[in-house]
Amino acid sequence: EAQVTQNPRYLITVTGKKLTVTCSQNMNHEYMSWYRQDPGLGLRQIYYSMNVEVTDKGDVPEGYKVSRKEKRNFPLILESPSPNQTSLYFCASSLTPGFNGYTFGSGTRLTVV
Amino acid sequence: AQKVTQAQTEISVVEKEDVTLDCVYETRDTTYYLFWYKQPPSGELVFLIRRNSFDEQNEISGRYSWNFQKSTSSFNFTITASQVVDSAVYFCALSEGNYNQGGKLIFGQGTELSVKP
Repeated sequence: EAQVTQNPRYLITVTGKKLTVTCSQNMNHEYMSWYRQDPGLGLRQIYYSMNVEVTDKGDVPEGYKVSRKEKRNFPLILESPSPNQTSLYFCASSLTPGFNGYTFGSGTRLTVV
Repeated sequence: AQKVTQAQTEISVVEKEDVTLDCVYETRDTTYYLFWYKQPPSGELVFLIRRNSFDEQNEISGRYSWNFQKSTSSFNFTITASQVVDSAVYFCALSEGNYNQGGKLIFGQGTELSVKP
């Protein structure tokens, strides 16, 4: 089944403790993105990648890192999480974003206390 | 600047009623793509439809239909004979044709639809 898999689905962590949210897609897509969803602010792009080793900042990249060492994986790294990074995170992938749109993962609900 | 506006924050209807969710967009691009996504209470984002700027044909899929009008920059979504399972937050989104920021999706604020039995 074609899908984008994120893990974990839920995570509660403490301020400053490094964490990684994994994202993997099995569709051989070149484009991948991370979004965060917050009440009143909607969904905003954090980082994106257009191919292996090609990543760039989205609209709200502060406090996040990403890597794209393999085509299928696009992890989101929070080096020192803070409470303002409490959010619902989505990973997405696409073959051709405009023509096909993005397929989203199931989301990761992160709480930083 | 690109922008998507969903003016209806919440809509409540009774089952079997028809309901239309409005979406108005702004872009300077001549090539762009419009989408609707559904977010049920479980939280995932489910793709519903894509339209490109050169295709103004309306589309119907079962009880769902979409009306794209470039003249008014609108891409409205109608659910006919709504059902309780339609209860969700619905997002309209825009993507530029030049793949700016990797084809970033610009989302509206979402419309929360509640269908009562």
